[in-house]
Amino acid sequence: AQKVTQAQTEISVVEKEDVTLDCVYETRDTTYYLFWYKQPPSGELVFLIRRNSFDEQNEISGRYSWNFQKSTSSFNFTITASQVVDSAVYFCALSEADNYGQNFVFGPGTRLSVLP
Amino acid sequence: DVKVTQSSRYLVKRTGEKVFLECVQDMDHENMFWYRQDPGLGLRLIYFSYDVKMKEKGDIPEGYSVSREKKERFSLILESASTNQTSMYLCASSFYRLAYEQYFGPGTRLTVT
Repeated sequence: AQKVTQAQTEISVVEKEDVTLDCVYETRDTTYYLFWYKQPPSGELVFLIRRNSFDEQNEISGRYSWNFQKSTSSFNFTITASQVVDSAVYFCALSEADNYGQNFVFGPGTRLSVLP
Repeated sequence: DVKVTQSSRYLVKRTGEKVFLECVQDMDHENMFWYRQDPGLGLRLIYFSYDVKMKEKGDIPEGYSVSREKKERFSLILESASTNQTSMYLCASSFYRLAYEQYFGPGTRLTVT
């Protein structure tokens, strides 16, 4: 069965610090997709990124970057120069290819607090 | 931009009432989902639908039913609301393959008293 672990329940940093959110996944499929979502205090989950299992190239989008390593089954998310607006709960998720419905699995989330 | 809307942001109902939560998406997505989110338990899938009139049970379907009469609309029904159904309910939609990301609505915080 597939599984997503986010070992960090809560993280607090001071503004302008860099912070990395960890995500470790388990799957038996060779083709799968990984996602990150942000849930700000308003409650709506916002999609951030999707990666497929064949593309291990790291990605950068502004202050956000993602490090995908199949060897360690990890898909970590780094925020550079954090800002108060980055305070949110962040979810990592996994989907096995060509499945419908139940096989989209979310991790438990990491609550990030960025203090001014 | 994908837009998923939910009929209410906050709802207060009494035990035993029948409750309807409505969700509408405007991106012609085949898949639609209902989750509930509780502190410490993360997101749990209640039901999903991959086509009109089609539905599949998720992890926690007990006490809930769903209806999908039109592609853009997916309703969650609490036949007889109970206090343990007090929760945040999130609707999502995606293209037919789960390789695609899900887009979420703003959520409905339901309180059953």
